Amino acid sequence: KNQVEQSPQSLIILEGKNCTLQCNYTVSPFSNLRWYKQDTGRGPVSLTIMTFSENTKSNGRYTATLDADTKQSSLHITASQLSDSASYICVVTNKAAGNKLTFGGGTRVLVKP
Amino acid sequence: DAMVIQNPRYQVTQFGKPVTLSCSQTLNHNVMYWYQQKSSQAPKLLFHYYDKDFNNEADTPDNFQSRRPNTSFCFLDIRSPGLGDAAMYLCATSRDRGATDTQYFGPGTRLTVL
Repeated sequence: KNQVEQSPQSLIILEGKNCTLQCNYTVSPFSNLRWYKQDTGRGPVSLTIMTFSENTKSNGRYTATLDADTKQSSLHITASQLSDSASYICVVTNKAAGNKLTFGGGTRVLVKP
Repeated sequence: DAMVIQNPRYQVTQFGKPVTLSCSQTLNHNVMYWYQQKSSQAPKLLFHYYDKDFNNEADTPDNFQSRRPNTSFCFLDIRSPGLGDAAMYLCATSRDRGATDTQYFGPGTRLTVL
């Protein structure tokens, strides 16, 4: 079954600290992996997209990594800011299913001053 | 600047009373999607339009219908809302259905069923 699992479910960090979110997937065949940020009460916004051959991709203070062999990805947030408080969703595109998106359950991040 | 607009942002309806949610886009994208997202859960795809071609997900209840009168607009009709249909409804668009075509989401409409 094609699944995307994220950990932790939630975390609290102090402003200025770093954190890393994890994503494991079983989606096959794999096309690409995206990280989305979803603020409370808003729609998800794409942060990064990585294909099979890409190991790392940065977007400002967000850095995503991908290990397609172990089917794992991470999202690292550097020097967190209060505005980073949101849910971060790992989304994998299934090449065989009409490029349908498989969503993870998300990690809810709360940045405290 | 808003690219995917959803109206209203909050909708309250009564059990069994039909309701329509609206989505419009300024991106001129071919594809428009409707997702249902319940609290603390991942978005669940209900259906999508590729141009005028409607594509329903196999497990989407018949209670949910959609219309796309033109490229810019797409509507979600819930014919007889039940308490279990209370959720955030997200509209998204993409240029095409290729693997690298990013989906752009609207802000969502939160539906409450009384």
